[in-house]
Parts: sequence; C-alpha cells; structure tokens
Amino acid sequence: DAGVIQSPRHEVTEMGQEVTLRCKPISGHNSLFWYRQTMMRGLELLIYFNNNVPIDDSGMPEDRFSAKMPNASFSTLKIQPSEPRDSAVYFCASSRLSGSYNEQFFGPGTRLTVL
Amino acid sequence: AQSVAQPEDQVNVAEGNPLTVKCTYSVSGNPYLFWYVQYPNRGLQFLLKYITGDNLVKGSYGFEAEFNKSQTSFHLKKPSALVSDSALYFCAVRDIRDTDKLIFGTGTRLQVFP
Repeated sequence: DAGVIQSPRHEVTEMGQEVTLRCKPISGHNSLFWYRQTMMRGLELLIYFNNNVPIDDSGMPEDRFSAKMPNASFSTLKIQPSEPRDSAVYFCASSRLSGSYNEQFFGPGTRLTVL
Repeated sequence: AQSVAQPEDQVNVAEGNPLTVKCTYSVSGNPYLFWYVQYPNRGLQFLLKYITGDNLVKGSYGFEAEFNKSQTSFHLKKPSALVSDSALYFCAVRDIRDTDKLIFGTGTRLQVFP
C-alpha cells in the first residue's frame, strides 16, 4: 500500500495567490482529515469527511479556506487568497470509518510558505 | 472538557537507558488512547493504541505504553533507547462527542544522546 499521498510536498507562493493542496487517501479508507501544524498552534484539525461528505469544518480558519472531496480517492484543500500567516505544514490523514477506535494514517505533509 | 496533556516539552535520554514520555488524559467514560511519532519532515506515524483489556500495550519499534486508570495516565515507554528514536511524540485520545476525531497533545520532543 502506498499510504496517504499528498502533493505538492513543498509550495512557495506569494500573498494573494491561490493555493491548492491535494490528497489521495489509502484505498478502502472512508474517513479523510485535513490538519495544519505550526510551531505556535501545534496540530489543528481543519475539516474531515466521511464517505466524501464534510462532517465537521469548525476548524477551518476562515472563508479563505475551502475543502472538497469529489470522490473516495481524492481531496483538495484550497486557500484563496493566501496570506503569510497561512504558512504551515498541512497534513492529510485517512482511516476506516467506524466511529470507534481506528487509527488515522497520515501523509507526508505539504510545507506551505506564503511570502 | 476532554483533553490530553504532555507535561514535558522535551525529554533527554542517553542511548541504552530506558525512556518514558508522559501523557495524562481527561475524558468522561472509557478512553481510547493513541501514541504517534513524527520524525523530522515526515507525517505522524501510529505507534500503538489502548482500547480495552490489558493495561500494557505493545507497539511498533519496541515501544509500549501503560494505561493507568487511577492516575488517568498513558505513558509511553521503551526499555532501551536508540539514537534513532529521537523524534516528536504525540499522545491522543478519541473524542467521545465525535468519535471520528482525535484530540492531540502538544507533543514531546525526545532526544536520545549517544
């Protein structure tokens, strides 16, 4: 199994530009999570999907952030327009849907730098 | 409120010595507890979990964790540390209000010196 795949691994952009991060979950997993990690705030859950449906987006910082999951094997996190404070490592994770105790598997992350 | 606490920002251990990374939790009801490790420039990797049963849980890379209900703790342990164990370790608990979600601690950086 290839694990959770994220692209790009690194992204450098200028303030005001649109940024799109991509994630392919592990095949057979039907829960997908987007996290953000910074030194100041640690690991934050932004949004998660069950069976491609957004369940909880309360962690999304503001309207500049949006996420979609058009099918079971692909999700995007978009920031438009981007700001320097969005600089962070963004992780995607997936798990089997159970509502109980299945562990989440994390991708390698996308390191975003907004200048 | 549900939470996990990792009281130490950093733990320093000499190679070959036993290591302990501490975690305490606050959850009403039965907790589901997890440990993850993050190596530099990598995503979090699952190490082990406690769901029910034996209080001593064995996981990957020789790590184990002991669930202690009376002390509400779930400390991560290893009998003999390796330099390659140096990483950031996260404790997490299943959110009982939304059981698909994990509540993560702030992380503990483990440094193993040769």
